[in-house]
Amino acid sequence: DIQMTQSPSSLSASVGDRVTITCRASQNINNFLNWYQHKPGKAPKLLISAATTLQSGVPSKFSGSGSGTDFTLTINSLQPEDFATYYCQQSYSTLYTFGQGTKLEIK
Amino acid sequence: EVHLVESGGGLVQPGGTLRLSCAASGFSFSSYSMNWVRQAPGKGLEWVSYISGGYSSIYYADSVKGRFTISRDNAKSSVYLQMNSLRAEDTAVYYCARGKSGLGISEYYFDYWGQGTLVTVSS
Repeated sequence: DIQMTQSPSSLSASVGDRVTITCRASQNINNFLNWYQHKPGKAPKLLISAATTLQSGVPSKFSGSGSGTDFTLTINSLQPEDFATYYCQQSYSTLYTFGQGTKLEIK
Repeated sequence: EVHLVESGGGLVQPGGTLRLSCAASGFSFSSYSMNWVRQAPGKGLEWVSYISGGYSSIYYADSVKGRFTISRDNAKSSVYLQMNSLRAEDTAVYYCARGKSGLGISEYYFDYWGQGTLVTVSS
């Protein structure tokens, strides 16, 4: 199975900050990497597909980059509604796997 | 508007069985693959199972293979998860998620999710 490792596991930041979350795959997954936002009690929300494609309706403050094994999610100008847990997920293998999540908390 | 509504969760004893349902609306159900994803208490998301729109392809995570069975009824726009031989570690919120393929052969993502249904395995 392809293992996905996110760092950091948790992150404290202030409103207005820019943050970057990293996701590393255990093998080359080309650009088959997606990012989700998940808030407690809510359905997860797809933010970015294929490493860099911003989904319709998702603010441009979110951006993704990377290919191969190393990927990043960047969030600019944090707002209160951005504090959530973020997950990466690979689709290179049909045994789809998620990273362990990065919890973004307000400082 | 796409809606996915899960049902069937509850409390079950170890070794027991449970069947989850997910009712879909707002899209051409048979044209899309469907998935189950779960989140154990205090843990992250874990993909559980996939079924293609035409029933031809089915995949399972190693953690549930041989115990869980995914199925769908396109006439009822519903997908199901039959869970047998349940264990304490199966305790989780189970989400139904629509799958969508992109331009690349392996480009695949979960674009719509339900609110989830809680399964608790405990004696």
